[in-house]
Amino acid sequence: DIQLTQSPSFLSPSVGDRVTITCRASQAMNGYLAWFQQKPGKAPRLLIYADSTLQTGVPSRFSGSGSGTEFTLTVSRLQPEDFATYYCQQFYIYPSTFGGGTKVQIK
Amino acid sequence: QVHLVESGGGVVQPGSSLRLSCTASGFTFNNFAIHWVRQAPGKGLEWVAVVTYDGNNEYYADSVKGRFTISRDNSKNTVYLQMNSLGPEDTGVYYCAKDRSLKREIPMWCDFWGQGTLVTVSS
Repeated sequence: DIQLTQSPSFLSPSVGDRVTITCRASQAMNGYLAWFQQKPGKAPRLLIYADSTLQTGVPSRFSGSGSGTEFTLTVSRLQPEDFATYYCQQFYIYPSTFGGGTKVQIK
Repeated sequence: QVHLVESGGGVVQPGSSLRLSCTASGFTFNNFAIHWVRQAPGKGLEWVAVVTYDGNNEYYADSVKGRFTISRDNSKNTVYLQMNSLGPEDTGVYYCAKDRSLKREIPMWCDFWGQGTLVTVSS
């Protein structure tokens, strides 16, 4: 199985900050990574798929990049509604796996 | 609009069985795979299983293989997750999610999710 390691586990930025979350895979894969946002008590929301494709309706301040074993989710200017937990997920090899999550909490 | 509703959760004893249902609307159900993802209380997401659009293929997480079975009834717009030999480690909210890709043999990308159903395994 592919292991996904997210870093950091916790972030405490301010509104307007640029935020970067990293997802490292245990083996190389390209084009098979997604990013999700989850708020407390709510279902996850797809933000990015295929490493860098923005899901319909997601604000352009969210972007995904990376290749091989290292991928990043960037929020260019953090908004109040962006405080949430973020997860990466891979579909390169089944079973699919998630990263452990990154909690972004307001400073 | 796309709508997914999970049902069937509850409190059961270790070793019991439970069947979850996911009923969908707002899209052509038999064109898309459906996934199950779970989340233990206070923990992260864990992908559980997926069934392809036609029901011909299924994939499972190692933690549930041999105990859980995913299936679908396209005439009822419903996917099922039959869970046997439940243990405390199976406790959590179970979400179903629609796959993003049309009639893909290898499903990827969960684009719409239900609100989840809670399963508690406890004596």
